[in-house]
Amino acid sequence: KNEVEQSPQNLTAQEGEFITINCSYSVGISALHWLQQHPGGGIVSLFMLSSGKKKHGRLIATINIQEKHSSLHITASHPRDSAVYICAVALRAGGTSYGKLTFGQGTILTVHP
Amino acid sequence: NAGVTQTPKFQVLKTGQSMTLQCAQDMNHEYMYWYRQDPGMGLRLIHYSVGAGITDQGEVPNGYNVSRSTTEDFPLRLLSAAPSQTSVYFCASSYYRDRRRGMNTEAFFGQGTRLTVV
Repeated sequence: KNEVEQSPQNLTAQEGEFITINCSYSVGISALHWLQQHPGGGIVSLFMLSSGKKKHGRLIATINIQEKHSSLHITASHPRDSAVYICAVALRAGGTSYGKLTFGQGTILTVHP
Repeated sequence: NAGVTQTPKFQVLKTGQSMTLQCAQDMNHEYMYWYRQDPGMGLRLIHYSVGAGITDQGEVPNGYNVSRSTTEDFPLRLLSAAPSQTSVYFCASSYYRDRRRGMNTEAFFGQGTRLTVV
């Protein structure tokens, strides 16, 4: 079983829809990251969370440390949001994880006009 | 700021050839990492470095070497390429955000190197 599980693996939406991508993890962590990868492109960090909720534009990320669960929400989705969204965790290993990340398999999001 | 720069972007190798993937960052970050991305597997850590002169193995280090002679550069060497090393390789960097809590910043990724071994 992977230490980081994302759902769904594939998600198709119509422009304007509210989107939720989920991430569950099974280990102690110091931080959780949400990343975005466009086709053929590099990887960009969207959020880093250790507790609570963060918002940036139409994107909202939440984390529940007790339940070991995080969600990424996209409000008023747009075709330019089409990308792979990746959840990653920095494991809590002794004093520090040195920023090493363990990744989920990613969620492929396609938003149609 | 260029951020994290990887070269080359694409490479085709024959089985048994060796090559070096270059990675440079201009943000003075202490920590650097090499990950590989394979379909259905997610990204996996190959090697990482916590500062100049200090490197350590990640989850999938076999067949790869690294060195860190300067803060800026972290090259990844394939010693004898194999088809199983066909993948997309990402270099990343970060720095300490909260030393008391042992927490790094978000990772900054390069654009990736798509490697095919035939």
